[in-house]
Amino acid sequence: QKEVEQNSGPLSVPEGAIASLNCTYSDRGSQSFFWYRQYSGKSPELIMSIYSNGDKEDGRFTAQLNKASQYVSLLIRDSQPSDSATYLCAVKGTLHSNYQLIWGAGTKLIIKP
Amino acid sequence: DVKVTQSSRYLVKRTGEKVFLECVQDMDHENMFWYRQDPGLGLRLIYFSYDVKMKEKGDIPEGYSVSREKKERFSLILESASTNQTSMYLCASSLEWTGGGNEKLFFGSGTQLSVL
Repeated sequence: QKEVEQNSGPLSVPEGAIASLNCTYSDRGSQSFFWYRQYSGKSPELIMSIYSNGDKEDGRFTAQLNKASQYVSLLIRDSQPSDSATYLCAVKGTLHSNYQLIWGAGTKLIIKP
Repeated sequence: DVKVTQSSRYLVKRTGEKVFLECVQDMDHENMFWYRQDPGLGLRLIYFSYDVKMKEKGDIPEGYSVSREKKERFSLILESASTNQTSMYLCASSLEWTGGGNEKLFFGSGTQLSVL
């Protein structure tokens, strides 16, 4: 079992709809959770971080964390073609050095006009 | 904005060559990281450094070494390049990395290394 798992996709969503991206993790002691967006041929960039259970909203993006069920999700409202990218989930846990992030392989999101 | 600059976008080397990948950041960040990214595997940490001349191994340090003589510069060295080191190499830096809610990695544009 991978430590951080994501559906590789591609996930195809119509423009204007809600895109829902999911991530599960195995280290129950994990404390910090991140969503990075990576456009094709570009480097990852941080879009959301979340540290406590519940929802965290930033514009059209909402991160949701459920530590009991060990999943973190990212919702993108009013999806735009510019949201088409690969979304990487990253988790900072307890099984590795405090400096390490464990990354999922990413979910490719395609927003269809 | 933070700028993380990697010296080469594309690099082609021969098996057995010694390869240097350079990374420079301009925001006085303490923490710097070297990752490699391969399709389907996600990002894997090779080495990180939390201070000048301080370094720690990540998950896949074999075949690599690093150097951090100055705060702004973190170099990755492939001692004897092999074909299985063909990959995208990403350098990143961060101001905070031990909690506090401001843990954010700033990435360079990456170096696509091909070892023939």
